[in-house]
Amino acid sequence: KNQVEQSPQSLIILEGKNCTLQCNYTVSPFSNLRWYKQDTGRGPVSLTIMTFSENTKSNGRYTATLDADTKQSSLHITASQLSDSASYICVVSEGDYKLSFGAGTTVTVRA
Amino acid sequence: DSGVTQTPKHLITATGQRVTLRCSPRSGDLSVYWYQQSLDQGLQFLIHYYNGEERAKGNILERFSAQQFPDLHSELNLSSLELGDSALYFCASSVDGRGRVNEQFFGPGTRLTVL
Repeated sequence: KNQVEQSPQSLIILEGKNCTLQCNYTVSPFSNLRWYKQDTGRGPVSLTIMTFSENTKSNGRYTATLDADTKQSSLHITASQLSDSASYICVVSEGDYKLSFGAGTTVTVRA
Repeated sequence: DSGVTQTPKHLITATGQRVTLRCSPRSGDLSVYWYQQSLDQGLQFLIHYYNGEERAKGNILERFSAQQFPDLHSELNLSSLELGDSALYFCASSVDGRGRVNEQFFGPGTRLTVL
């Protein structure tokens, strides 16, 4: 069973609207949680990295939250743009080296 | 541009063959990671090298092997290829071997098609 579960699997939103992606994990010991954006056919690009003590981190219109107690994270996209259409991957670092990847949420932004 | 380069960009080969994928990390990065991404699966961690030494292994098949050279570039060797090996192979690099808060920078990937 995957230790990092993301929801929804996919979503479609209209340009200018907001959306929130969810990530639940069971990875332990927890080191940090990362959100990546991956355009089709390209390598993932890091959006945010949060350690245990961080509750929220922003990168432009992307805001990630982390609740280490409930082992949940969310990625909020504000005022979506067509260029936000991509797969968003939640990655949890277990200890120093091991990364566990979620299956990703595919976001499609329509004009 | 992440600064990580991968060659070739595309590779088409036949079952049973052997191929080598190459990765050059960002300048100054000592760690190289290899990932496989199939169409119906997310990113799967294969292997991690730090400064020439293997540090961690993920879901890497015995038919696959990797190494990191003194100049820090890395190669992933895939042998006895099967149809199911068709995938995008990504290389990532980071400053050091600790995954704690070290950001990994991904290359553009090599798309392998096994016919």
